[in-house]
Amino acid sequence: AQRVTQPEKLLSVFKGAPVELKCNYSYSGSPELFWYVQYSRQRLQLLLRHISRESIKGFTADLNKGETSFHLKKPFAQEEDSAMYYCALKGSGSARQLTFGSGTQLTVLP
Amino acid sequence: GAVVSQHPSWVICKSGTSVKIECRSLDFQATTMFWYRQFPKQSLMLMATSNEGSKATYEQGVEKDKFLINHASLTLSTLTVTSAHPEDSSFYICSAMKQGSGANVLTFGAGSRLTVL
Repeated sequence: AQRVTQPEKLLSVFKGAPVELKCNYSYSGSPELFWYVQYSRQRLQLLLRHISRESIKGFTADLNKGETSFHLKKPFAQEEDSAMYYCALKGSGSARQLTFGSGTQLTVLP
Repeated sequence: GAVVSQHPSWVICKSGTSVKIECRSLDFQATTMFWYRQFPKQSLMLMATSNEGSKATYEQGVEKDKFLINHASLTLSTLTVTSAHPEDSSFYICSAMKQGSGANVLTFGAGSRLTVL
């Protein structure tokens, strides 16, 4: 079975401070990991995925297979980063569906 | 880009009636769409995988006779909540995967909020 854990339901940081949203996963094979973001009153949208190793809106996430983690980081948070963030895992093979974490509500304070 | 449209965005119905929610991929074809349910302050829970031209695959614990899914074309999947009851009140979200995207990236609809009185 695959599982995604986001231990923090709420996270508040001040503008300009570093932010890290934690994500741990459980999966026996080689997973694909994603971060999705949902801004207020908007639909869920892809932020980044581990296979592309990209930085989007200043966010990065590194897959650590040893620690089974995929934490989302940004060195300097901005107020517009305030949103709900979901970590998601897709298993390999025919497991096409994503398993979502419970989400972390990030609030960046002025 | 890939856009998924959901309709209606919100609906209120009486207990015992049926409600249909549509999920359309506007600018791409999707052989597979997914339906989720989200309770307040909780994560998305996959309900079923909608397969074009064949029966949907339901997750454990989801009643297929209660939540009817039809994927009649490459751009449209519908979820019908039959004989709705107040406990069916929830936020329903669909997503679709663009064919040939190769990156397993899903595009989400904006969701449909169902309130059963």
